[in-house]
Amino acid sequence: ELKVEQNPLFLSMQEGKNYTIYCNYSTTSDRLYWYRQDPGKSLESLFVLLSNGAVKQEGRLMASLDTKARLSTLHITAAVHDLSATYFCAVDPNYGGSQGNLIFGKGTKLSVKP
Amino acid sequence: NAGVTQTPKFQVLKTGQSMTLQCAQDMNHEYMSWYRQDPGMGLRLIHYSVGAGITDQGEVPNGYNVSRSTTEDFPLRLLSAAPSQTSVYFCASRTGGLRYNEQFFGPGTRLTVL
Repeated sequence: ELKVEQNPLFLSMQEGKNYTIYCNYSTTSDRLYWYRQDPGKSLESLFVLLSNGAVKQEGRLMASLDTKARLSTLHITAAVHDLSATYFCAVDPNYGGSQGNLIFGKGTKLSVKP
Repeated sequence: NAGVTQTPKFQVLKTGQSMTLQCAQDMNHEYMSWYRQDPGMGLRLIHYSVGAGITDQGEVPNGYNVSRSTTEDFPLRLLSAAPSQTSVYFCASRTGGLRYNEQFFGPGTRLTVL
């Protein structure tokens, strides 16, 4: 059974600080997705990582994928209040001809305080 | 394009009642899925469809039925609502490609079963 574990589950940061959210998964996969969810809202796609060593950056967020370690990271640089949200990683456990159904981590609730 | 739409946005049911959550997409996506989101649990797959006339079970299918008569629509039926089905339900769709299958989520339906 594929498991996707995120840590930490809760993160309280001060504005201007850096931090990293970790996403570990238990089976081989080279497709990983990061989503953001604001309270009461739907999921918004942030990054799509499709190969080992993939790195994507958007503003203060940078995501990377290490398929050998089965690890993805979401790094936050100089956090601002607007980044407060819940972040999910999701793994596609199959490759080639699969149904592509995603397995989600439990989410990391990020709170950025002044 | 409207993307993925869901109705209703909110619903309160009594135990034992039945209802249908509606989901539609106008992106001509082959794949559609239903997830439920519970606090601290992330998103869990209920049912999915890889095309009109084809459906299959996900991780938590009990108590739910689906059908897919058209590419656009994928309704989720609760046969006899139970308090354990209180949750937020998200419908998602994606293309049928093998390599890149980012899922697009609807706005969600918040269901309470009393």
